[in-house]
Amino acid sequence: DVKVTQSSRYLVKRTGEKVFLECVQDMDHENMFWYRQDPGLGLRLIYFSYDVKMKEKGDIPEGYSVSREKKERFSLILESASTNQTSMYLCASSFWGTGARGTNIQYFGAGTRLSVL
Amino acid sequence: SQQGEEDPQALSIQEGENATMNCSYKTSINNLQWYRQNSGRGLVHLILIRSNEREKHSGRLRVTLDTSKKSSSLLITASRAADTASYFCAGTSYGKLTFGQGTILTVHP
Repeated sequence: DVKVTQSSRYLVKRTGEKVFLECVQDMDHENMFWYRQDPGLGLRLIYFSYDVKMKEKGDIPEGYSVSREKKERFSLILESASTNQTSMYLCASSFWGTGARGTNIQYFGAGTRLSVL
Repeated sequence: SQQGEEDPQALSIQEGENATMNCSYKTSINNLQWYRQNSGRGLVHLILIRSNEREKHSGRLRVTLDTSKKSSSLLITASRAADTASYFCAGTSYGKLTFGQGTILTVHP
């Protein structure tokens, strides 16, 4: 089974802190994604990466950065946490390619619920 | 921007009944996928339908796709209490998924 592991289920941080959310996948997937999920807004893409050291902005990248130094690991960084970044953060991964590998079926971690006080 | 608009936002049914959820999307897609999310957890992929397909079945799931109307539906037959969850449609385009806001399904025993 594909496993996508997020380092924390719950995090409480203070305004202005630098926050790291870590995600590791064990299926040798090329693509990795960070979403945030808020009530009434669904899932919104923050950043994604299709290769090591590559990153692309999603729909809501402001206030976030990412790092992908190894294929299996994708980190989301909140440079200076703010209360409006209180949310559920979901990491996902998928294959890149054509045919069956190009479907972009995504495998999700269990999520990190972040509270910024 | 949200790709999909889902309807209804919430659905409450009895065990054994069928549940139908609808999704509309705005831009061209390569495929459309449905995911399930149990409360407070990550999403799990359920079924995928390609843009050149009209209908697909998987167990108790039936998905339809109408590209002319940019819409899809998910039917869960003979629902069970364990089907209680949120269901999301997501369109694939340029390597990204864009999700709808989801339908909360409650199945009463």
